[in-house]
Amino acid sequence: GAGVSQSPRYKVAKRGQDVALRCDPISGHVSLFWYQQALGQGPEFLTYFQNEAQLDKSGLPSDRFFAERPEGSVSTLKIQRTQQEDSAVYLCASSPMPGSGVAGGVFYEQYFGPGTRLTVT
Amino acid sequence: DAKTTQPTSMDCAEGRAANLPCNHSTISGNEYVYWYRQIHSQGPQYIIHGLKNNETNEMASLIITEDRKSSTLILPHATLRDTAVYYCIVRDQGGSEKLVFGKGTKLTVNP
Repeated sequence: GAGVSQSPRYKVAKRGQDVALRCDPISGHVSLFWYQQALGQGPEFLTYFQNEAQLDKSGLPSDRFFAERPEGSVSTLKIQRTQQEDSAVYLCASSPMPGSGVAGGVFYEQYFGPGTRLTVT
Repeated sequence: DAKTTQPTSMDCAEGRAANLPCNHSTISGNEYVYWYRQIHSQGPQYIIHGLKNNETNEMASLIITEDRKSSTLILPHATLRDTAVYYCIVRDQGGSEKLVFGKGTKLTVNP
């Protein structure tokens, strides 16, 4: 079946430009996560949605970063006035139930997309 | 911050077992240990998880020490396609749903 898809796969932006990154989660998945992965580092959490509600945005590095999931399916991560330090791979993940991990004795994993590599020049 | 410590890199010969250690000395009683791996240019992929008993699935085995302060992921017959970064994660139970990745272990399987 179809997995999590992200577009574009690669994005080059000039410093100061705005970018929008799209995530299509697995159909019917309740939870959606965004992560940022700098070169040579593990992914770092940005934000979490349960359906259309953004329940955790503690990882967003600045107010230039904004995420939305208006209808509880597709999500967009927007970065305004991009800077060189925003260069990274942006990963999206989805899960069929609220959150992920073990809940009520049942395990729900996070399914990751291939990521969008953003390069800010 | 990540609650786990892993070696930066490891090598393994193709066909041999790969044993990847992880220390999680501050794990609490209801926290699970999860393993994900990330093959180059792909998103992370779930491998296995456990609480206190040893676990096995079609991908790997997970051995957790009795005091739960460390665990080992075992790939019984490593192949070249197992070359990846392996992340050991202890789930943050502080009300957040996020996964906290460290830097992981870069496993290279050599022919």
